[in-house]
Amino acid sequence: NAGVTQTPKFQVLKTGQSMTLQCAQDMNHNSMYWYRQDPGMGLRLIYYSASEGTTDKGEVPNGYNVSRLNKREFSLRLESAAPSQTSVYFCASSEDIWIAGIYNEQFFGPGTRLTVL
Amino acid sequence: GIQVEQSPPDLILQEGANSTLRCNFSDSVNNLQWFHQNPWGQLINLFYIPSGTKQNGRLSATTVATERYSLLYISSSQTTDSGVYFCAVEGSNMLTFGGGTRLMVKP
Repeated sequence: NAGVTQTPKFQVLKTGQSMTLQCAQDMNHNSMYWYRQDPGMGLRLIYYSASEGTTDKGEVPNGYNVSRLNKREFSLRLESAAPSQTSVYFCASSEDIWIAGIYNEQFFGPGTRLTVL
Repeated sequence: GIQVEQSPPDLILQEGANSTLRCNFSDSVNNLQWFHQNPWGQLINLFYIPSGTKQNGRLSATTVATERYSLLYISSSQTTDSGVYFCAVEGSNMLTFGGGTRLMVKP
């Protein structure tokens, strides 16, 4: 039981290049999330998927796209990378989306450290 | 959106000391989590605690939802406790993180 896995662990891009960050979970969770963490700060939500087939914007969605490929996998795509997207990207999952009174602990992957030159 | 403030921002302890970290939030929340981010960047779940008190070994946490704060207690600190402690609250359909408390435990 690996929990939440992310690939790659590290990536360096040049401005304008594209790439896709991959995330998979083996906990049979319905909901998945992408966050970014900038130096010295907490995490901020980019996009989330409440369930297979749905995606929604979070706090900082500009410059990103996502795909919920199936229940296990949720990918994040940078179409044209910019230096402002240099960050550490975390994927997370939970049993379900936010519902008051329902257990909804989020579990995080190890992160992808992305540098855009 | 919800504002989450953590204090203190930085904390240096001698091994064996106790400490209390605080998380204040600006609105009612559905749940609250505490995380430890170790020096390698990994986020470790400590507590899922929308209300009440929980304990896990040397760590315990208390959330008073009606007064909009949570406390994380670390007793008999060890060097492996070093890192950043984050509080994150769920409200307005989003998990919002505080700025963290950076803890250094010296041997």
